[in-house]
This record gives sequence, structure tokens and C-alpha cells, in this order.
Amino acid sequence: RKEVEQDPGPFNVPEGATVAFNCTYSNSASQSFFWYRQDCRKEPKLLMSVYSSGNEDGRFTAQLNRASQYISLLIRDSKLSDSATYLCVVTLTVSGGSYIPTFGRGTSLIVHP
Amino acid sequence: ETGVTQTPRHLVMGMTNKKSLKCEQHLGHNAMYWYKQSAKKPLELMFVYSLEERVENNSVPSRFSPECPNSSHLFLHLHTLQPEDSALYLCASSQDRAGANVLTFGAGSRLTVL
Repeated sequence: RKEVEQDPGPFNVPEGATVAFNCTYSNSASQSFFWYRQDCRKEPKLLMSVYSSGNEDGRFTAQLNRASQYISLLIRDSKLSDSATYLCVVTLTVSGGSYIPTFGRGTSLIVHP
Repeated sequence: ETGVTQTPRHLVMGMTNKKSLKCEQHLGHNAMYWYKQSAKKPLELMFVYSLEERVENNSVPSRFSPECPNSSHLFLHLHTLQPEDSALYLCASSQDRAGANVLTFGAGSRLTVL
């Protein structure tokens, strides 16, 4: 079983649509959770952290379900500029106390006019 | 400019060459990472350094050799690579502590092995 699993998509949606991405992780000891965004031929950039209580940043809402080892990202009122790959990231602590981030393969979103 | 600078941005090398990738961060972070990104695959963690000590080596072939002389610089030395090593190599840095381990990536070094 892969450590971090995402549906690769692509998700092809019209402008204004609401779209949701899911991510599951295998290690129950995982400690920190993030969504990153990667544009074509660019480096990944942090979109938002994911907190146990759920959190919102404008049109973006992230949820964490530790019991089900599941993370989600909801994008409301999709814009053309939201087209990108969305990467789920889960961080574990290794011996010595360092934090190791593990990436999912990413979910591709295409927003069309 | 993200605060993490990688050079060279593009590199073409033969299988017998020796080359190095360089990464420099200006963010005051204490951890640095090398990731490999190939088409259709997730980012693969290669090496992690925290406070200049290697804390993770993810079963990477010995033809890749990392070096971290200080907390701001990270190198990836390459020798006798294979064509399947062609990929985008991404360097990242972070603060290695709970709740603050957000990665900042460089723009990457795109490597082609002939």
C-alpha cells in the first residue's frame, strides 16, 4: 500500500464549479498534513496546512479525519487560474526527531471556460 | 524567487560524466532535502539533512552522493548515471520542528542523461 494515495485525475470542471480532492495515508503516526500546488513545469508551493478542526482560506477548505486517515481539499467557485496539480503531503517523525514529508502523486485539475 | 536557489537549471550529461547540482537557501532554515520528480510519479524523497547531519537516505543508489557543508548549502554529486535517472531534481528547505516543517522548494534542476 502506498504511503500517501491520491486520485491522479484529471478533474475537468467548468469555471464556477465546486471540486473536491481526497487523499488517504497509511501511517497512523503521521503528524502534519498539507496541500501543495504545482503548476506545469514549476516547483510545488504550499497551498495550505490542514488542521484537525478543519480550516478555510478563501475559496479553499481543508479537512482532516485522523480516524479514517483521510484528508480532503474543497475548492469553491473554481477559477481558470486554479488549474494545476494538487499534492497531498503527510509528515512523519523519524528517530532523532526530524520531520520527513511524503508526497502523494498529485491530482490534476483543469478548469475550463 | 523563493529563497531557495538551484543551479544549474538544466544539465545534460553522458553516463560516464561527473557533475554536481547545487542548492542554496537564504531563509535561515535548518533542514534541506533532495527530491526526484519523474513523469507520472510522485515526488521521491532522496536525502534529508537536518542541522547538516543526514537523517534520511531513502535507498538511493550510490551514484548519487549528497553533501551538506553547512545549513545553507546542499549538493548532489552525480557520477556514472543511467538514462532512467533523467528527471527534475528539486531541492527544498524547512524549519525542522513540529508544526513548522513547511517546505520551500527551489525551481529545480532538470537533468538529462544520454
